[in-house]
Amino acid sequence: KAGVTQTPRYLIKTRGQQVTLSCSPISGHRSVSWYQQTPGQGLQFLFEYFSETQRNKGNFPGRFSGRQFSNSRSEMNVSTLELGDSALYLCASSGIRQGRFQFFGPGTRLTVL
Amino acid sequence: DQQVKQNSPSLSVQEGRISILNCDYTNSMFDYFLWYKKYPAEGPTFLISISSIKDKNEDGRFTVFLNKSAKHLSLHIVPSQPGDSAVYFCAASASGRNTPLVFGKGTRLSVIA
Repeated sequence: KAGVTQTPRYLIKTRGQQVTLSCSPISGHRSVSWYQQTPGQGLQFLFEYFSETQRNKGNFPGRFSGRQFSNSRSEMNVSTLELGDSALYLCASSGIRQGRFQFFGPGTRLTVL
Repeated sequence: DQQVKQNSPSLSVQEGRISILNCDYTNSMFDYFLWYKKYPAEGPTFLISISSIKDKNEDGRFTVFLNKSAKHLSLHIVPSQPGDSAVYFCAASASGRNTPLVFGKGTRLSVIA
């Protein structure tokens, strides 16, 4: 099976712009979670989608949003970008058989100038 | 409030010796713990996990120990190899399959040849 894929891998934006990141989970996985990784902060949970519904949400401002499509692919959007949004954004998927175990994609490196 | 803490940002170990990475948690509802390894420019990959009904789980060179009373777990790598050099993240999950993973900030392990 192909792994979790994320596009684009690298992105440079300027303050005030918005950005959309995409994630394709492993085939058959219906849960997709998004994380933000910044230096020294570990992986901070953004949100999780399951069957097109947001199931969990982390402690991030409303500028961060996401959605999931019927094929389980997911997108996250960040509006009105700030310098502090520069980070590695990771997507992870899991299936029923995996339980709480998640497979991660390679991430999208977002740089905000 | 950080629920999962990895208090050592970095660790250096000689090749062939034991590496011990530590993780503490505060939420007594956590009952499933995972370790992920992350190389630069890649997403985290699953290493080993342990359920709270056990106090030890072993997989080849990797062993995870769980001390529930102390809310502490540790990952032992024996013998350490240069290819083990990476950032290691501890993660925890509370009861119920729909709760998100909570990650620590990671420990960078350097195995010196």
